[in-house]
Amino acid sequence: DADVTQTPRNRITKTGKRIMLECSQTKGHDRMYWYRQDPGLGLRLIYYSFDVKDINKGEISDGYSVSRQAQAKFSLSLESAIPNQTALYFCATSDFSGVSTDTQYFGPGTRLTVL
Amino acid sequence: AQSVTQPDIHITVSEGASLELRCNYSYGATPYLFWYVQSPGQGLQLLLKYFSGDTLVQGIKGFEAEFKRSQSSFNLRKPSVHWSDAAEYFCAVGASNFGNEKLTFGTGTRLTIIP
Repeated sequence: DADVTQTPRNRITKTGKRIMLECSQTKGHDRMYWYRQDPGLGLRLIYYSFDVKDINKGEISDGYSVSRQAQAKFSLSLESAIPNQTALYFCATSDFSGVSTDTQYFGPGTRLTVL
Repeated sequence: AQSVTQPDIHITVSEGASLELRCNYSYGATPYLFWYVQSPGQGLQLLLKYFSGDTLVQGIKGFEAEFKRSQSSFNLRKPSVHWSDAAEYFCAVGASNFGNEKLTFGTGTRLTIIP
């Protein structure tokens, strides 16, 4: 089984709908991240969490919210989806190994289309 | 804040030829540097990373990268590419100071392999 899973893998929705993307991990890592990938823009950080009680905004958090339900679960919500949120969304995890920024392990991604 | 530039959006290489993908970073102290690969329809997989020590880093799949502080570069190389190396490659920089524990990704280089 994959260490980092994302559900759903694909989703088509309409403008104004509320959408939740879910991420689960079995790696036992404390740190979890949500990114979006757009062609030509690379990956941009939306939110990150270093433990269940710690949530931080990334560079593009507007229009998104997150919930860290447990160490292993980190959900991303789009409260009212808009077409420019059409993108590939990735969840990632990392362990705290004593350095500030260590290897991140990525899920397979969720392709979201907002019509 | 750190930043990464990958100057080449798309590179085409013949199978068996050598490869070099460029990465330049901006960061005020010694950075943590990563190369990830994304195969079509997949998440990102770590190829190699540099934290300290030997500036020539070996990774998986026969890849290596060299950290050159004077040039603010971390270029990825492979002596002989295989058709399976066709993918998108991302360079990322992480801050070495606590309080800024984030990865910043470049915009990626898409690699095409021709027979």
